[in-house]
Formats: sequence, C-alpha cells, structure tokens
Amino acid sequence: EAQVTQNPRYLITVTGKKLTVTCSQNMNHEYMSWYRQDPGLGLRQIYYSMNVEVTDKGDVPEGYKVSRKEKRNFPLILESPSPNQTSLYFCASSTRTGVESPLHFGNGTRLTVT
Amino acid sequence: EDQVTQSPEALRLQEGESSSLNCSYTVSGLRGLFWYRQDPGKGPEFLFTLYSAGEEKEKERLKATLTKKESFLHITAPKPEDSATYLCALTGAGNNRKLIWGLGTSLAVNP
Repeated sequence: EAQVTQNPRYLITVTGKKLTVTCSQNMNHEYMSWYRQDPGLGLRQIYYSMNVEVTDKGDVPEGYKVSRKEKRNFPLILESPSPNQTSLYFCASSTRTGVESPLHFGNGTRLTVT
Repeated sequence: EDQVTQSPEALRLQEGESSSLNCSYTVSGLRGLFWYRQDPGKGPEFLFTLYSAGEEKEKERLKATLTKKESFLHITAPKPEDSATYLCALTGAGNNRKLIWGLGTSLAVNP
C-alpha cells in the first residue's frame, strides 16, 4: 500500500531534549516536505526537499533541522525543543515539485513540549 | 501577495441538505488549485486539482469548480461520513512555487 509513515504518532518531551520524528514514503517520490498545523494558523511549511541531498527552508524553519540522505526518508530534528514547538506535525511527499502534483500526507505526529 | 480565504469557517448540515464551500483567492498566475479533505487526527487527503477557470471535477457527492477569483466545493446530498475539514490550497507563478493554504471549512453532517 502506497503510504507516508511517520513515527511516533504522539510525543511528549521536555524543553531542550533533542528529538527526531521519522518520515518514510514507499512511492519513490522525489519531493518531501514537513508541515506544522496549529489552530487559527493552518498548515505552515517547515522544510522541503526536492530530491536526495537537496533541502530548503519553508516558511517557519527556525528551531528545526532536516536531512535527506535517502530518497524514501526525511527525518525532522528538533535539537532543542521549546514549548512554542508544541504542534501537530505532518510529513508529505509528491512526485515532481510538490506544488503541481497532489501531496500524500502521513497521519501526523502530535508533539507536546513542556 | 497571494492569498487564500475559505468560508464559512464551520458549516453544519442535515443529511441530504446540499451546500457549497467557498475558496476565494488572489494570485498572480494560478498554476493549480487543490482541494483536500482532513479527518480529525489524520493527514489531509487529496481530492481535486483545478488548473483553469471553467474547469470542473467530480467525485461521488463532491464537485469542485473554478472561476478567476474563487473555487467552490459543492456537496450534493451529504452523508454523515462527509463530515471533515475541507482545505483549499493553491500555487501561483509569482510565489516561488510554494503552496498557499487556506484555514479550512469544518463540515458537520447530522444524520
């Protein structure tokens, strides 16, 4: 089954404790992206990757890192999480550029930073 | 500045009561307008892409239409399983090829 898999689904952590949210897709998509979704602010792009070893900042990249060493994986790293990073996070993938083709989303990771 | 506004924010319908959701936009050179459905606690799921004014797409009880200023998602004879948040997004020629997202319309269909 074609899918984007994120782990974990729920994560509670404390300020400053480094964490990684994994994302993997099995559709051989070139484009992958991370979003956060907050009430009243909607979906905001954090980082995106057009292909292996190619990543770029989205609209809200501060406090986040990503890497794209393999085509299928695109982990999101929070080196020193803060409470304002409490949010619902989605990984998405697409063929081509990601803005002309539909995005396939994972089921989300709900992160709470205390 | 490219912008997407969805209305209403929330809509409650009785089963079988048809209605429309609106996505108004301003963009320099529309490249594509997307509709997604999002169920609580899940990622958005792609519904339609529209590329030019006058275009229409249909899927079961849903029909998406596009003009030069707005897109409508028409829901005909909705069922409770159509309850979800519907998101509109677009990309334009002048916004560095990024997707601009609306805040969504939360639809509840009562049996």
